[in-house]
Amino acid sequence: KAGVTQTPRYLIKTRGQQVTLSCSPISGHRSVSWYQQTPGQGLQFLFEYFSETQRNKGNFPGRFSGRQFSNSRSEMNVSTLELGDSALYLCASSLYENQETQYFGPGTRLLVL
Amino acid sequence: GESVGLHLPTLSVQEGDNSIINCAYSNSASDYFIWYKQESGKGPQFIIDIRSNMDKRQGQRVTVLLNKTVKHLSLQIAATQPGDSAVYFCAERADDYKLSFGAGTTVTVRA
Repeated sequence: KAGVTQTPRYLIKTRGQQVTLSCSPISGHRSVSWYQQTPGQGLQFLFEYFSETQRNKGNFPGRFSGRQFSNSRSEMNVSTLELGDSALYLCASSLYENQETQYFGPGTRLLVL
Repeated sequence: GESVGLHLPTLSVQEGDNSIINCAYSNSASDYFIWYKQESGKGPQFIIDIRSNMDKRQGQRVTVLLNKTVKHLSLQIAATQPGDSAVYFCAERADDYKLSFGAGTTVTVRA
């Protein structure tokens, strides 16, 4: 089985712009979670989607949003980018909801200038 | 905020020895725990998980131990190999069903 894929792998944006990241889960997985990883804050949970519904949300501002499609693919969007949004954004998929036995993708490295 | 932490940020191990990576958690309501391995430039790789109704679980060359009395989680790696060099994260799931990750322990395997 193919693993979790994320596109793009690298991205450079400037402050104020918006960005959309994409995640394709492992075939058959219906849960997709997103995380932000930075050297200072570590791995932080953004949100989880299961069967196209947001099931849980972390403590991030409303500029961070996401959605899930009927084929379980997911996108996350960050609007009005700030320098502090520079991070590795990771997507993880699971057969189950509530973040059990998740498998991560390689991540999208976002640099905000 | 994060309630999961690791005792040591770095661990140096001789190839062939056993490694023990420790993790303390603070939320007694956490019901599920996971260990991940992250190599440079890659996403975290699932190693093993354990539910709160278990004390021990074994995988291939790895064992996770859970001590709920002292809120302690550990990952044991048998016969450590150079390919085990990575950052290891523990994570707990509290009753809000959100995963919280520890800061990570960097394991370096000496030849």
